[in-house]
Amino acid sequence: DVKVTQSSRYLVKRTGEKVFLECVQDMDHENMFWYRQDPGLGLRLIYFSYDVKMKEKGDIPEGYSVSREKKERFSLILESASTNQTSMYLCASIGQHESSGNTIYFGEGSWLTVV
Amino acid sequence: RKEVEQDPGPFNVPEGATVAFNCTYSNSASQSFFWYRQDCRKEPKLLMSVYSSGNEDGRFTAQLNRASQYISLLIRDSKLSDSATYLCVVRTGGFKTIFGAGTRLFVKA
Repeated sequence: DVKVTQSSRYLVKRTGEKVFLECVQDMDHENMFWYRQDPGLGLRLIYFSYDVKMKEKGDIPEGYSVSREKKERFSLILESASTNQTSMYLCASIGQHESSGNTIYFGEGSWLTVV
Repeated sequence: RKEVEQDPGPFNVPEGATVAFNCTYSNSASQSFFWYRQDCRKEPKLLMSVYSSGNEDGRFTAQLNRASQYISLLIRDSKLSDSATYLCVVRTGGFKTIFGAGTRLFVKA
C-alpha cells in the first residue's frame, strides 16, 4: 500500500521558534508538495519539489523554506514561527510518469498551533 | 478570480436524496480533473478522476464540460457515510495542481 508519512501529527510551538515538518514517501515519486489548509481557503501550495535538491515556490512561500536532500524526504521549515502560521499542513506526492499514475497521495496532516 | 471555484455549501440533504456539486475552472489549458473526498480532520483522498466522456462509479457520476469549463459530481441515493467535504481538483500541464476550497455535504437520517 502506498504511503506518505508525516512524522509530527500535532505540534504546539511558541512564536519565534524554528519548526521542522518532515514528510517521507515510499513510492519513489519525483514530485512532492507542501500545502496548508485553512477553513474557507482550501489547500494552498507553499512549495513543491520535482527532484532531489530542486524546489519551486508555490502560491504562499513567505515565511517558509524547504529541503529535499533525498528523493523520499521533503521537509518544510518555518524559520521563525508566527501565529498566522497556525494551520493544518499537508504533504503530498505524485509520480512524474504515466506509469506512476496521476493520483496525488497525501500524508495524514500535521496540525500546528503557534502560541 | 480563483482558478478553481466551488460552492462551499453546506448542502444538507436527507438519506436517499440525489445531490450535485459543480466546480468551475479558469485555465482553459487544464488537462486533468479529479474529485477528492475529505473527512473531518483527515487528509483528502481520491474519489474519482473525471474523463471527457463522463464516468460513473457506483452511485457517483462525474462530468466534464470543457466548453463551459466546469466539472460536476452527482451523488445518487445519498448515504450518511457520504457526509464529507468534496474537493474539486484541476491539473494543468505537468504537475501543477489546483484545489478548490471544497463543498461540504451533510446527509441526515
